[in-house]
Amino acid sequence: AQSVTQLGSHVSVSEGALVLLRCNYSSSVPPYLFWYVQYPNQGLQLLLKYTSAATLVKGINGFEAEFKKSETSFHLTKPSAHMSDAAEYFCAVSDSSNTGKLIFGQGTTLQVKP
Amino acid sequence: GAGVSQSPSNKVTEKGKDVELRCDPISGHTALYWYRQSLGQGLEFLIYFQGNSAPDKSGLPSDRFSAERTGGSVSTLTIQRTQQEDSAVYLCASSLQTGNTGELFFGEGSRLTVL
Repeated sequence: AQSVTQLGSHVSVSEGALVLLRCNYSSSVPPYLFWYVQYPNQGLQLLLKYTSAATLVKGINGFEAEFKKSETSFHLTKPSAHMSDAAEYFCAVSDSSNTGKLIFGQGTTLQVKP
Repeated sequence: GAGVSQSPSNKVTEKGKDVELRCDPISGHTALYWYRQSLGQGLEFLIYFQGNSAPDKSGLPSDRFSAERTGGSVSTLTIQRTQQEDSAVYLCASSLQTGNTGELFFGEGSRLTVL
């Protein structure tokens, strides 16, 4: 069965510092992986997705993630945090049913300090 | 509208009452999903509709929960005899394509508070 683990429910960085949000997955089939962001009182918005093409995936707002099969990881990074990056971030893996259903991690709240 | 629309945005109800939450997906999107977001719990899958196929109800937590999708468009999630543990944000998402590579577009959610 598919599952996702996000390490760290809260991450705090200073403005301008590197952002690293960790995600490990378990999948019985080659996975499709996603990162979504949720700003306060808003729905989820897709940041980026891995669908078996390039292992380094670039997304919106300067974020990128690298698929590492050997480590079953899909960590999200951004070289320099901005105050506007403060939000909750969710990693997700596609369900094996090929329906587009996603299995989400618990989420990581990113705090950016001035 | 341009995005997924959900109503009401906030609902406060008393324990034991029934509630209905509505989702209007993006026009032309054939797939529709309901998720529940509880504090500190992440997103929990509830139900999935695809076209005229039978829905995938595998995520519904109890028989108090039901959903329907009329005319392949608007969906209603109904919770009967609400309990305090039903308090959560209920998110609806739609997708244009089937399969695992499509993007889910989420609404802003309906926040349910059961007193």
